[in-house]
Amino acid sequence: KAGVTQTPRYLIKTRGQQVTLSCSPISGHRSVSWYQQTPGQGLQFLFEYFSETQRNKGNFPGRFSGRQFSNSRSEMNVSTLELGDSALYLCASLAGTGNTEAFFGQGTRLTVV
Amino acid sequence: GQQLNQSPQSMFIQEGEDVSMNCTSSSIFNTWLWYKQDPGEGPVLLIALYKAGELTSNGRLTAQFGITRKDSFLNISASIPSDVGIYFCAGPVNSGGGADGLTFGKGTHLIIQP
Repeated sequence: KAGVTQTPRYLIKTRGQQVTLSCSPISGHRSVSWYQQTPGQGLQFLFEYFSETQRNKGNFPGRFSGRQFSNSRSEMNVSTLELGDSALYLCASLAGTGNTEAFFGQGTRLTVV
Repeated sequence: GQQLNQSPQSMFIQEGEDVSMNCTSSSIFNTWLWYKQDPGEGPVLLIALYKAGELTSNGRLTAQFGITRKDSFLNISASIPSDVGIYFCAGPVNSGGGADGLTFGKGTHLIIQP
């Protein structure tokens, strides 16, 4: 059974640009969540999608958005990139009791210059 | 919001030694999760705990859900070089499931000296 797949693995963007990251969850999993990981703030919850609907969102500005498709694949978009958006962006497929167990992909390393 | 305090922040140990780390919170958690992250990779789920007092093992790893529901412990026995990495504790933000997001500790860096 394939794990969570994130593309691309690495990305370099310029301030002011926008970026789209992609995530394919584990086959059969319908819930996908996104996290930002930085050395200073650690792992922080961005948002969660289930059946193409965003159910929850963390404390991030509106420049961060996402969506989920009917095949459960998800994308997240960051517009008007800032230097502080440089981070490892992780997608997780949820399972287990109460959908609590998050199974992470390898992440996308975004560098904003 | 809920915060998880992990300790120690880093550990320097010899190969073969046992390791203990813990995670505490001022709030009650219904679930405790332990993850390991290698450089450049995403966190890998090691153990999930759902019941106060629960003790669960995964090979050389053993984790316990504290009886007060405000803490959890992870032990690694007879450490080997591939145990090197960052270990995170995590729990659901709300009493609901992971859909509300997980809150993570800052991590324990495990370094094994030859």
